[in-house]
Parts: sequence; structure tokens; C-alpha cells
Amino acid sequence: GAVVSQHPSRVICKSGTSVKIECRSLDFQATTMFWYRQFPKQSLMLMATSNEGSKATYEQGVEKDKFLINHASLTLSTLTVTSAHPEDSSFYICSAKDRSSNQPQHFGDGTRLSIL
Amino acid sequence: GENVEQHPSTLSVQEGDSAVIKCTYSDSASNYFPWYKQELGKGPQLIIDIRSNVGEKKDQRIAVTLNKTAKHFSLHITETQPEDSAVYFCAATTYSGSARQLTFGSGTQLTVLP
Repeated sequence: GAVVSQHPSRVICKSGTSVKIECRSLDFQATTMFWYRQFPKQSLMLMATSNEGSKATYEQGVEKDKFLINHASLTLSTLTVTSAHPEDSSFYICSAKDRSSNQPQHFGDGTRLSIL
Repeated sequence: GENVEQHPSTLSVQEGDSAVIKCTYSDSASNYFPWYKQELGKGPQLIIDIRSNVGEKKDQRIAVTLNKTAKHFSLHITETQPEDSAVYFCAATTYSGSARQLTFGSGTQLTVLP
């Protein structure tokens, strides 16, 4: 079945560091990818919608200069948390839509980001 | 926009018993309702979905029902097993073949006691 690979699975770094998270669709082409943030024991909160070859659409309250999204190809989107601080610590999850399938989204396994 | 409410937030059942999780949605234009299972430290995995032209769908021990008039849908798990323990999320979207964002419920922590 369709697989979305997210890397890295866990990151621990110092405050002020920029962190890049990759989301790849392994066996399908994804014109649209979604980035979510999830706090402990809470639901998924959509951060932005990433469209291949164009600018991402950010949800209200999400700083686009803080969370840089690049979707340069049909199989790869990246989320860069710039100058990360402890309050950015969270579980980040991506999903991708197979443009040839009826299923709307396949999810990656998430990235646990811990900022010290 | 769409608003999805999910109940209960936690549910404990004995192994072999049934579990039911209920969701309501607000946008009558929503026409696709997936259910996801999320295990600790992992991303959500689609377990079953239903479209608005269907009232019920079943896949082995899992079933989903949809009442469009009342705008609610439910997940039913029969003969529960310890490996069913996880967080379950319902979601709703207006699906037309292209990508649409999902609106998630708040999640239900299901614990199946051996």
C-alpha cells in the first residue's frame, strides 16, 4: 500500500537551532502534502497545506517565517523549524495525497522534536 | 468551517467486548468520514472510512455507521483485543477527488483490558 516516510523520527537539539523534517511519498506522487502539529493527548492541528511547485498555505496563527515549507517535487516536502525554541517542542506529522487514488491522505509516522 | 466533536475521550472495555466511539459534524457539505488509529509515538493509520452515499460499512471486526440527517457517525469495534488499544480519531472533509484538509475530532483513548 501507499507509504509516507518521515525523517527524522526524533530530534533533540539546542535552542536557536534550525531543524529540517522531510516527508516523502515512497510509491506515489503527491501534489499536496499536509503538515500537522500534535501536542500530548491532543488531536492533530493542521499547520499548513503544501502544494508542489507553489507556496504553502498556512493556517491562521501559524508563523510562515518560523515554519518554512518547501514542496519542490511530487515526492518530497520539507518543514524547517527556524531558530527553534523550547515552545516549538512537539510531535510533527505530515500526510500526503496520492493524486491517482481515491484515498485522501496517508500519514507519516511523525517527528518528535525536543528543543533544550 | 467544519467542527467535529468526538465522544468519549477515554473508553475502557474488557477483552472480547464491543467498543463504540461517536462523532458529530457541523458542515452538511462534508461527504467523507475516515477513522484513524494512532499508536503511541506513531502517525495515524486509516482503519476504515465511509462516504456520504453509504449508511454503513464493515470490515471484519470494525464497522462505521453514518446518519447524514443527524450529522453523526460512529465507529464500532467488536470482539476487542488488547492490540486494539490506541487513540482513535474521527475526521470529516468535503472530498471531491482532489486534496482537502481533514477536520479531526479530539480523539478517544481506547484501552482493552485483558
